[in-house]
Amino acid sequence: EADIYQTPRYLVIGTGKKITLECSQTMGHDKMYWYQQDPGMELHLIHYSYGVNSTEKGDLSSESTVSRIRTEHFPLTLESARPSHTSQYLCASSEFSGGAGVYGYTFGSGTRLTVV
Amino acid sequence: AQSVTQLGSHVSVSEGALVLLRCNYSSSVPPYLFWYVQYPNQGLQLLLKYTTGATLVKGINGFEAEFKKSETSFHLTKPSAHMSDAAEYFCAVSSDTGRRALTFGSGTRLQVQP
Repeated sequence: EADIYQTPRYLVIGTGKKITLECSQTMGHDKMYWYQQDPGMELHLIHYSYGVNSTEKGDLSSESTVSRIRTEHFPLTLESARPSHTSQYLCASSEFSGGAGVYGYTFGSGTRLTVV
Repeated sequence: AQSVTQLGSHVSVSEGALVLLRCNYSSSVPPYLFWYVQYPNQGLQLLLKYTTGATLVKGINGFEAEFKKSETSFHLTKPSAHMSDAAEYFCAVSSDTGRRALTFGSGTRLQVQP
């Protein structure tokens, strides 16, 4: 039973189109992340958010943008898709409650994007 | 800054043999360490994690890992490989400061031969 949802699961789209990848979580986590995973498998952080109205760039430069208007929603947008954007995009959220001894991340199933 | 090195992009073992996947980390603060598994066309599934306490951590599917601070290692092991263990395995590090994002290693593809 997934607590973090990504849609669409697969997307094939033409060059120049605007796309939005959806990510929603039902756990009330403040921190959310977007990772890009190329066919070579390595995952790189491209965006993260500490909470509502807080977004930051990650380690890997990306032409995508993100927004965080609601705690549960963290969409990623590409204004003009290109073949170089072909990749898998994974969304995650995290919970840190030191006093309760809770510390972990939850990942969505990913969106596999192909730009033709 | 944090980083993870996974030695061996591909590991092949026979069914029933010991599985050993190596992970070394670098972190300027006390690390939190994770192992994830990824099956084809799927997301990441947590195998196990180390945050504090016991350095030998047991996870799902018979996997375990030991945090060795002196060696900056967090190797993943399983006594007896099963065909269903064939997948990609990622080691990751984070900390309880800053953005608290996971930094991943480059992954190890485990093949299990019959």
